Amino acid sequence: AQSVTQLGSHVSVSEGALVLLRCNYSSSVPPYLFWYVQYPNQGLQLLLKYTTGATLVKGINGFEAEFKKSETSFHLTKPSAHMSDAAEYFCAVRSLGLIIQGAQKLVFGQGTRLTINP
Amino acid sequence: KAGVTQTPRYLIKTRGQQVTLSCSPISGHRSVSWYQQTPGQGLQFLFEYFSETQRNKGNFPGRFSGRQFSNSRSEMNVSTLELGDSALYLCASSPQRGGPSSGANVLTFGAGSRLTVL
Repeated sequence: AQSVTQLGSHVSVSEGALVLLRCNYSSSVPPYLFWYVQYPNQGLQLLLKYTTGATLVKGINGFEAEFKKSETSFHLTKPSAHMSDAAEYFCAVRSLGLIIQGAQKLVFGQGTRLTINP
Repeated sequence: KAGVTQTPRYLIKTRGQQVTLSCSPISGHRSVSWYQQTPGQGLQFLFEYFSETQRNKGNFPGRFSGRQFSNSRSEMNVSTLELGDSALYLCASSPQRGGPSSGANVLTFGAGSRLTVL
């Protein structure tokens, strides 16, 4: 079964510093990959997704992620952190087997809570 | 365009009771999924419906059930509530095109229903 691992349940950076949130997936075939953000008392909001083609994916709020097949990674980055970026971030993968069946299930990582220090 | 609407947003129940949660997907979306989110287990897939049929089911006991109506609205029910059922229940909808091209479909989440079992 496909899975994702997010390294670091908590990440803390200073305002203006680089944000790097790590995600590794397990799959023999490049899957579809997603990053979602969750603010307190809210649902999940899509930041960006990787399907096929360009390996550097740009998302909302200045975030981007690079798909590296050789490293089975899809790390999320942002050059300069803002206080408003404080939230929990989830990496997710969609199973190829289920895609063929037409199912939409996502498998999520455990999440990384991002704290921004002023 | 209205988003995914979940009701109620908050509810408190006691052990042994049952609860029904409702989800109205984005207009035109025919696939509805449910996820349970807890601090310990993270985001876990409950089930997925398309055209009133359950397409996929997660590893939850039979106390958890759901259904989808002809207008794509969905409900989930938990019977004989246990303390461990306290969680944020998230509903997500997506356009369902089926087959390999559906892999990139984005799940749009509602704000969730927070259930507390006392």
